[in-house]
Amino acid sequence: GAGVSQSPSNKVTEKGKDVELRCDPISGHTALYWYRQSLGQGLEFLIYFQGNSAPDKSGLPSDRFSAERTGGSVSTLTIQRTQQEDSAVYLCASSLGGPTIYEQYFGPGTRLTVT
Amino acid sequence: SQQGEEDPQALSIQEGENATMNCSYKTSINNLQWYRQNSGRGLVHLILIRSNEREKHSGRLRVTLDTSKKSSSLLITASRAADTASYFCATDAAAGNTPLVFGKGTRLSVIA
Repeated sequence: GAGVSQSPSNKVTEKGKDVELRCDPISGHTALYWYRQSLGQGLEFLIYFQGNSAPDKSGLPSDRFSAERTGGSVSTLTIQRTQQEDSAVYLCASSLGGPTIYEQYFGPGTRLTVT
Repeated sequence: SQQGEEDPQALSIQEGENATMNCSYKTSINNLQWYRQNSGRGLVHLILIRSNEREKHSGRLRVTLDTSKKSSSLLITASRAADTASYFCATDAAAGNTPLVFGKGTRLSVIA
């Protein structure tokens, strides 16, 4: 079946502009995660959605970052007033349930470059 | 904060050799997972080992977990050039439904 998809695959934007990154999780997966990965680094957790519960936003680095998940499916990560340090690969993942039990399925990522 | 730390940061071996990567973490866990990443894009789940398990196998992969030392190892036997990738361990926290925390990974290069 279809895996996790993300769009766009690459995004180049000017400093100060807003960007929106989209994630389509696997159908039926109740949990959705956003991570950020800088060059040669590990994954930095950003935000986690589980069903209808309030999202865990503890990883968002600043109030310029926000995310929504509409109808328990598609999610959008928005970065306002982008900065050069926001340049990274943004990865989305989904799982059947909570992260402690179920494996996460990752999308291919969106490579964001802020010039 | 709790975090899996992989060791070594980079490993280069010849095809056919075994590769061992280690992961250490700080606090009690429910499970530990290993993931693989090719070309800096999406990760692929390899194996999950629960805190009450000591060893798990999947094909050429063998994972061990020592909760007393808060460490895990991933062994890839008879490595192939296609195993070249970055390998990450991810841990949860024993208390609560918390997100996984990923380490910085081990970059494995298998030379044909």
